[in-house]
Amino acid sequence: AQTVTQSQPEMSVQEAETVTLSCTYDTSESDYYLFWYKQPPSRQMILVIRQEAYKQQNATENRFSVNFQKAAKSFSLKISDSQLGDAAMYFCAYNAGAQKLVFGQGTRLTINP
Amino acid sequence: NAGVTQTPKFRVLKTGQSMTLLCAQDMNHEYMYWYRQDPGMGLRLIHYSVGEGTTAKGEVPDGYNVSRLKKQNFLLGLESAAPSQTSVYFCASTHPSRLATDTQYFGPGTRLTVL
Repeated sequence: AQTVTQSQPEMSVQEAETVTLSCTYDTSESDYYLFWYKQPPSRQMILVIRQEAYKQQNATENRFSVNFQKAAKSFSLKISDSQLGDAAMYFCAYNAGAQKLVFGQGTRLTINP
Repeated sequence: NAGVTQTPKFRVLKTGQSMTLLCAQDMNHEYMYWYRQDPGMGLRLIHYSVGEGTTAKGEVPDGYNVSRLKKQNFLLGLESAAPSQTSVYFCASTHPSRLATDTQYFGPGTRLTVL
């Protein structure tokens, strides 16, 4: 079965600095998708960024980018110029077929002003 | 366009009681899902549906039943609630896609407490 592991339960960063959240996954598939979701205190799940496994180029969305290492099964999220509004739980997720998502345990990100 | 809505937002049950959580989406999505989120854990899939009249089990289906009688609605039932079912429940929906390029849209969640 596919699994997703986030080894950092909590992270903190100074406002305007850069932080990287780690994620590793296990799968035997060659075609799949990976996602980062943000969950603020409102509990709403918000898609931050997604990566297609067949693409070598790392996905980027404004201040958010990923470092996708397919051979190492690693999918980290980099947040540049951190803002107070970035404070949230961040979940890494893997598409497991029929678009079912398998989530990691989450990383709580704190932004220090 | 309301997106994905969930009813109710909060509920407290006693052990053994039953209830139904309603998920509705107005985006004409084929696929719908029910997840639960427990403290310190990510979301885990309970059941899902790939079309009207079809349902399938996810990772943690025990103690739950679902129905998809209408394309826009996906119901999650607890026949005899247990304290272990205390959780936050999320519904999601998406379009089908060969390689899952489409985003899953999530509802706001339902916080359920079973005493």
